[in-house]
Amino acid sequence: GEDVEQSLFLSVREGDSSVINCTYTDSSSTYLYWYKQEPGAGLQLLTYIFSNMDMKQDQRLTVLLNKKDKHLSLRIADTQTGDSAIYFCAESMKMRFGAGTRLTVKP
Amino acid sequence: NAGVTQTPKFQVLKTGQSMTLQCAQDMNHEYMSWYRQDPGMGLRLIHYSVGAGITDQGEVPNGYNVSRSTTEDFPLRLLSAAPSQTSVYFCASSYSPGSYEQYFGPGTRLTVT
Repeated sequence: GEDVEQSLFLSVREGDSSVINCTYTDSSSTYLYWYKQEPGAGLQLLTYIFSNMDMKQDQRLTVLLNKKDKHLSLRIADTQTGDSAIYFCAESMKMRFGAGTRLTVKP
Repeated sequence: NAGVTQTPKFQVLKTGQSMTLQCAQDMNHEYMSWYRQDPGMGLRLIHYSVGAGITDQGEVPNGYNVSRSTTEDFPLRLLSAAPSQTSVYFCASSYSPGSYEQYFGPGTRLTVT
């Protein structure tokens, strides 16, 4: 079946950059998304990228898309303790989500 | 705008009981969907609707029913709850399927004993 996969945990120090990786199998998706989920809350769209783009930058966030390898990454610059959350990647064709990467930011 | 609202926030059911999870949106979105979130498995699509009167199955539809009589409401029914349905349920809506922005409700935490 079509899958979206990501590593489950990432721990960084405050001020460092965080890179969260995701691989997907359905190449027909128009959009690829990154969602953020804080404890006890629903998902909030963080950013997205069109499938015909290689990179998108939005303030501290940089999304890189490698269509050949079906690899998506989210880089958070100058990571803060408030960035601690679970981050999900998702594809638009069948709205499949990865299992989520729990980012822990240590002071 | 209230966005996407879900009720109840928490629910405990006994095996075999039935209940309906409510979802409503006030953004005039055509597309609505239900997901369940289980630890280590991300979100899985249960059912979705592309407009009033139209529903379809997602990845894990067994044990759940939906209907869409109005644009605003999209209830999820459990006819005979099972422990395997213990999960957190999220409702979401967007302008259209595959729209770049999907809005999520706050979730319903369901426990089936």
